[in-house]
Amino acid sequence: SQTIHQWPATLVQPVGSPLSLECTVEGTSNPNLYWYRQAAGRGLQLLFYSVGIGQISSEVPQNLSASRPQDRQFILSSKKLLLSDSGFYLCAWRRTGELFFGEGSRLTVL
Amino acid sequence: AQSVTQLDSQVPVFEEAPVELRCNYSSSVSVYLFWYVQYPNQGLQLLLKYLSGSTLVKGINGFEAEFNKSQTSFHLRKPSVHISDTAEYFCAVSGISQGGKLIFGQGTELSVKP
Repeated sequence: SQTIHQWPATLVQPVGSPLSLECTVEGTSNPNLYWYRQAAGRGLQLLFYSVGIGQISSEVPQNLSASRPQDRQFILSSKKLLLSDSGFYLCAWRRTGELFFGEGSRLTVL
Repeated sequence: AQSVTQLDSQVPVFEEAPVELRCNYSSSVSVYLFWYVQYPNQGLQLLLKYLSGSTLVKGINGFEAEFNKSQTSFHLRKPSVHISDTAEYFCAVSGISQGGKLIFGQGTELSVKP
């Protein structure tokens, strides 16, 4: 069966520090992968998606970047965090139209 | 491009009462439709999905939704809610292409009171 893992689950970082959130999928090959952000009181905003290794599409201009160094690994990064980067970050992979989500990473920028 | 509007940000309801969470979408192409549920500090779990076929879709936990193409709606219903149904509910839409992105509504907070 397929599983998706995200880490860390919780992160508190100062403004201006770097960020790296990791997501890996097991049990499938060449998945479409997605990063969403959920800010307090808001819905889910699609940040990045990837259809293959090294292929990243960005949905909104922002302080974040994404990379896909391996088939089943998707990384969300920032060189310098802003207060507005705080939120709940969700990684997902897609099969037959349906998204399967990880448990999320809660980022607080102070 | 697709978009989703969830018409109610909060829905308070008493236990064992029926509930309907409303969702309207817009799209220039054929779509897939989904309802997800999110419990506090957790990821999203699929409740049900419409890909094709019968317009009445049954999901987990006694929920169902009806796809109405003429009204571009996909409302979620449950005939009798439980305290444990208290959560955030998200409607989502995507075009049917293989790489289509899933676009989410803003969410509806369902609060079930005893």
